[in-house]
Amino acid sequence: GAVVSQHPSWVICKSGTSVKIECRSLDFQATTMFWYRQFPKQSLMLMATSNEGSKATYEQGVEKDKFLINHASLTLSTLTVTSAHPEDSSFYICSARNRFDGYTFGSGTRLTVV
Amino acid sequence: AQSVAQPEDQVNVAEGNPLTVKCTYSVSGNPYLFWYVQYPNRGLQFLLKYITGDNLVKGSYGFEAEFNKSQTSFHLKKPSALVSDSALYFCAVRDRIGGSGNTPLVFGKGTRLSVIA
Repeated sequence: GAVVSQHPSWVICKSGTSVKIECRSLDFQATTMFWYRQFPKQSLMLMATSNEGSKATYEQGVEKDKFLINHASLTLSTLTVTSAHPEDSSFYICSARNRFDGYTFGSGTRLTVV
Repeated sequence: AQSVAQPEDQVNVAEGNPLTVKCTYSVSGNPYLFWYVQYPNRGLQFLLKYITGDNLVKGSYGFEAEFNKSQTSFHLKKPSALVSDSALYFCAVRDRIGGSGNTPLVFGKGTRLSVIA
């Protein structure tokens, strides 16, 4: 089946630094990647949709300059949290369309900003 | 606009008893419906989906869900719950009309299932 590998699984960083999260589709081409954010005990909130070779589309209220998304190839999309602050601490999950069961999710990244 | 409602934050059930996790949806056209399960600090695992055809959908780990168009519901069920089923369950929808590879899923808020031994 389709697999999306997401790294790192967890990361702790200092305020003001930047963190990059990678999602790779291992056995299929992910033309479109969705990035979600999940707060504790809450649902997944769509942050942005990235398409290979073009600019990402951000949801209302999501700062595109803070959450930089790059989708340079059909197998790799990255989310960079720039100048991270404690309020950016969250669980970030990527998802790609696949032709099997529809959507494949990464294992998530727990970001803690201290 | 699409939306999903999971009216229960928490469902408790005894091991061996049947379980139901409720989901209702709202879309402008016909829906694609999904159920996912999430374990702590993990991504989402696909359980089952409804696209078209038989209203009763069977999925992974003995779960099933019934699509009810008149009630706009897609409740998740399992005849006999296991302790290992304890997790967070998400219902999700995508509008079939105008949908494409660029259309994300819209999720419910999630229901935490606790199966008690």
